[in-house]
Amino acid sequence: GIQVEQSPPDLILQEGANSTLRCNFSDSVNNLQWFHQNPWGQLINLFYIPSGTKQNGRLSATTVATERYSLLYISSSQTTDSGVYFCAVSQGGSEKLVFGKGTKLTVNP
Amino acid sequence: NAGVTQTPKFQVLKTGQSMTLQCAQDMNHEYMSWYRQDPGMGLRLIHYSVGAGITDQGEVPNGYNVSRSTTEDFPLRLLSAAPSQTSVYFCASSYSGGGGYTFGSGTRLTVV
Repeated sequence: GIQVEQSPPDLILQEGANSTLRCNFSDSVNNLQWFHQNPWGQLINLFYIPSGTKQNGRLSATTVATERYSLLYISSSQTTDSGVYFCAVSQGGSEKLVFGKGTKLTVNP
Repeated sequence: NAGVTQTPKFQVLKTGQSMTLQCAQDMNHEYMSWYRQDPGMGLRLIHYSVGAGITDQGEVPNGYNVSRSTTEDFPLRLLSAAPSQTSVYFCASSYSGGGGYTFGSGTRLTVV
């Protein structure tokens, strides 16, 4: 099956810093989503982005489907950005998402 | 609009007991799924459904059953709980044909 690799596995930032999280996938996809799992365990959908670029406030994401990667940008990080960021993909006509192992982000005040 | 509702939030079972984790959504989503999350790992798909009356297995289906009698509900049944099923379980839903997932708040299950 498709493999999803996220990097880095851990990231520690000072408040106000910018960061880039990467998601590589091993085959073509028709669905790519980014999620944030907060320290209380809640999973929040950030972006549905099978291709192209989207922005939502301080967060933006870019997927280059032909090169099989996606990037999540966090600007001017805040302590509330802490948590684990997951990338997930699906192939063909399937809705079944395959998740990467995540990037754990810690933003210190 | 409640989104995806999971109950219970916490549960402790003894080995061999059975139970049902409930999941309900009010967004008229066709697609629903169950994932488990274990420490240090991402989420792994247990079972999924593309509509009422249609279910299929995911990556880790053994020891679990599902049914989908209505669009809104997608319960997950543990037939005979084992310590290896200690995990956090998430239910999710989405529209078919693309679009973002909405997750429930999770059920933390401990099997002793």
